[in-house]
Amino acid sequence: SQTIHQWPATLVQPVGSPLSLECTVEGTSNPNLYWYRQAAGRGLQLLFYSVGIGQISSEVPQNLSASRPQDRQFILSSKKLLLSDSGFYLCAWSPTGGAEQYFGPGTRLTVT
Amino acid sequence: EDQVTQSPEALRLQEGESSSLNCSYTVSGLRGLFWYRQDPGKGPEFLFTLYSAGEEKEKERLKATLTKKESFLHITAPKPEDSATYLCAVRPGGGADGLTFGKGTHLIIQP
Repeated sequence: SQTIHQWPATLVQPVGSPLSLECTVEGTSNPNLYWYRQAAGRGLQLLFYSVGIGQISSEVPQNLSASRPQDRQFILSSKKLLLSDSGFYLCAWSPTGGAEQYFGPGTRLTVT
Repeated sequence: EDQVTQSPEALRLQEGESSSLNCSYTVSGLRGLFWYRQDPGKGPEFLFTLYSAGEEKEKERLKATLTKKESFLHITAPKPEDSATYLCAVRPGGGADGLTFGKGTHLIIQP
């Protein structure tokens, strides 16, 4: 069976500090990978998606970036965090050609 | 622009009191409508995918239906453990694979 991991589970960072969130998927090959953000009072917002190693598509202009160094690893980064980056960050995967997306446990980020 | 609107925002029911949650959508070329359940502090859990008007899916006390403009999640004789936020999402046509989500319905089932 497939499993998706995210870490850290929670993070408190000062404004202007860097960020690195990691997501890994087990039990599948060549998945599509996604980063979403869920802010208070708003629906999940797609940030990035990837269909393969080194292939990243950005949906929303911002100070965040994503990378996919390995087939089942997806990383969300920032060089300098803003207060508005606070939120619940969710990684998801879907099988190649599949429609359903399966979510990880999430990372709660608070920027102070 | 693709849009998903869920109603009501919050719903409080007594245990055993059946009801329905609504998801209305505007999307160019629907490639699937999805229902998820989200518990506090956790990632969404996949429930159903619907592809065409008239389609229905069932799982325990939940049944999802789809028309050309909206979807309903029917909850029959709910139990307290059904309390959660229920999210609706659509997969638009075109090249992008991401889902467009509604803000969800926060459901509370009182014993």
